[in-house]
Amino acid sequence: EIVLTQSPATLSLSPGERATLSCRASQSVSSYLAWYQQKPGQAPRLLIYDASNRATGIPARFSGSGSGTDFTLTISSLEPEDFAVYYCQQRSNWITFGPGTKVDIK
Amino acid sequence: QLQLQESGPGLVKPSETLSLTCTVSGGSISSSSYYWGWIRQPPGKGLEWIGSIYYSGSTYYNPSLKSRVTISVDTSKNQFSLKLSSVTAADTAVYYCAQQDYDILTGPNWFDPWGQGTLVTVSS
Repeated sequence: EIVLTQSPATLSLSPGERATLSCRASQSVSSYLAWYQQKPGQAPRLLIYDASNRATGIPARFSGSGSGTDFTLTISSLEPEDFAVYYCQQRSNWITFGPGTKVDIK
Repeated sequence: QLQLQESGPGLVKPSETLSLTCTVSGGSISSSSYYWGWIRQPPGKGLEWIGSIYYSGSTYYNPSLKSRVTISVDTSKNQFSLKLSSVTAADTAVYYCAQQDYDILTGPNWFDPWGQGTLVTVSS
C-alpha cells in the first residue's frame, strides 16, 4: 500500500496570503496524484488531477506541481471560501488518500 | 450536469450487512469513460476508498476491506450498490459515491463529482 503523508496538518493563514501544502508518497506514484477540497458538511471537490491539471471550473489561483514522491498544492492568494481541508489521493497502486491539511483563518 | 445520490438505511446493527445504493442522474452509468466508486469518511477523520465498479461489472476493492465488500451495478436503473458485511462500530461513517475517471491505458483515476454522502451508524 502506498502511504501518503500531508504536511502541515494545519496551516493558519490570512486571506490574501499564499498557501503551500505538501503531499509525500511512500513510493513513486509518477504523476498519478489528485487534490481535493472539502468544506464542513460537504463532499470533497476535485481541484487538481494528474498532479498539475486543474479540474473544470477551478480558479487559476489553485495550482499543483510535483512528480514521483513529492507534490505541492499552491493557493496563490487565499480567498475566504478557500479555508477548508485539502486531501491528496494517489491511484498508482490501488487508491489511497492522505490524512488531509486543514487551512484555517489566522 | 451529472448528479449522484446515495440512499439506504442510516442505522445498521453490529454483525449485519450495510447496503447502500447510488443513483446516477444526468448521465449514463454505461459510459466507457468512467468507473463508479464508493468512499467513506468516519466522523472527524479522513477519506478511505472502498471499491469501484465498471458498467460491465468489473470491480476492484480496497484490499483491507475486500473480504467484506461487494459492489454491483444495475445499468437498467442507472444505479450501483455497496454491500459491506459483518459491520462493527468502526464502519460508522459518511459513505460517498462518486464517478471515477477511467483511461483505457492507465486505468481508473480520480473521483469527480461526488454525491452528497449519507451517514451510516453501526449501533445496536
